[in-house]
Amino acid sequence: ETGVTQTPRHLVMGMTNKKSLKCEQHLGHNAMYWYKQSAKKPLELMFVYSLEERVENNSVPSRFSPECPNSSHLFLHLHTLQPEDSALYLCASSQDLQGASGANVLTFGAGSRLTVL
Amino acid sequence: DAKTTQPPSMDCAEGRAANLPCNHSTISGNEYVYWYRQIHSQGPQYIIHGLKNNETNEMASLIITEDRKSSTLILPHATLRDTAVYYCIVPKTGANNLFFGTGTRLTVIP
Repeated sequence: ETGVTQTPRHLVMGMTNKKSLKCEQHLGHNAMYWYKQSAKKPLELMFVYSLEERVENNSVPSRFSPECPNSSHLFLHLHTLQPEDSALYLCASSQDLQGASGANVLTFGAGSRLTVL
Repeated sequence: DAKTTQPPSMDCAEGRAANLPCNHSTISGNEYVYWYRQIHSQGPQYIIHGLKNNETNEMASLIITEDRKSSTLILPHATLRDTAVYYCIVPKTGANNLFFGTGTRLTVIP
């Protein structure tokens, strides 16, 4: 257990379904992130939140919708996904954004493995 | 992020030291070097980071050259559980995140 909890760990959904991934951290961190990892590809940053405000959105399709209701929780709402969206979705947190002064270590959750049929 | 170069794969015998190199010749004076690893199908795990001096913790040692253009991660006594992809990352000052490249796939052999 790293301090960052992701649920569900596994999710299978059809292309017309609506589902959500949840991430929770009790580390007192101010920044939270969503990453996507497709098979045999490097991690791709999707969204960055700092103090509940989105600070980065890396050209992610609108079928992925993030929500950060407070500094401890982060959601990724999924709607009308495609089979190529099947991947491991990783949530991470850090004390502050990477660009802040000093070193900021990312703590990752175990990931949610999504399969879109 | 400052560009890093790592070998795509390495093998290490169980119980021996694993030395993983990383080149980061374009690093700036105030940029840290981070190492993470990812065991198959799990989230990446932080290992160690450093700025100028060598660092050691319970997981590994980090040796940074004096000119800071390269570094080596040392796992002193590799075990089978150390088999993973190891990422060397130098985030650019002001960037909001870490860029994970392709890393080095370390295989510890019994």
